[in-house]
Amino acid sequence: GESVGLHLPTLSVQEGDNSIINCAYSNSASDYFIWYKQESGKGPQFIIDIRSNMDKRQGQRVTVLLNKTVKHLSLQIAATQPGDSAVYFCAENGDKIIFGKGTRLHILP
Amino acid sequence: ETGVTQTPRHLVMGMTNKKSLKCEQHLGHNAMYWYKQSAKKPLELMFVYNFKEQTENNSVPSRFSPECPNSSHLFLHLHTLQPEDSALYLCASSSQGMGQETQYFGPGTRLLVL
Repeated sequence: GESVGLHLPTLSVQEGDNSIINCAYSNSASDYFIWYKQESGKGPQFIIDIRSNMDKRQGQRVTVLLNKTVKHLSLQIAATQPGDSAVYFCAENGDKIIFGKGTRLHILP
Repeated sequence: ETGVTQTPRHLVMGMTNKKSLKCEQHLGHNAMYWYKQSAKKPLELMFVYNFKEQTENNSVPSRFSPECPNSSHLFLHLHTLQPEDSALYLCASSSQGMGQETQYFGPGTRLLVL
């Protein structure tokens, strides 16, 4: 069935290092993808999006990569900071929006 | 702040109570959504409203009753809930309720059903 999932439920990264969070999707008709960040006690916050006609999109300290061949999406965070600690989840949007379960990013001092 | 507010932020209710969750968006959007977020599970879409009309109901039990009086306000009326309904209830809005749109979320209401 259709699913959006993340390979690792928890990711621990040293402060200052780069973080890479992965997401797999199964609906080849999905044409719009979004990464959300959810901090403790808050609602999901939009980080960055990408449309299916692109392979890469960069924001401030974040980059999203889309590989349509293997239906894979990744979020790269450069120079990870303590404020990046949160749950990150992807969403795919085709005929309906489907959210992944999320990966908790833990920053090590 | 995302421009979407929700009240109350926390709610404890018994199974025989009736309560309502409120959502308001200040973004000029025309679509509003209710989601349920349980621990270790993906977001579950409950209801979608587009221009005040309900366009989607994802097989949600009737003990959850949505109301959308206008494009800026959305309510979720709760009646005779079960303990398994305890979760974070998130409201979101988007511009037109169509594909390739970003949804903006409120902070959620943390609901505990005893």
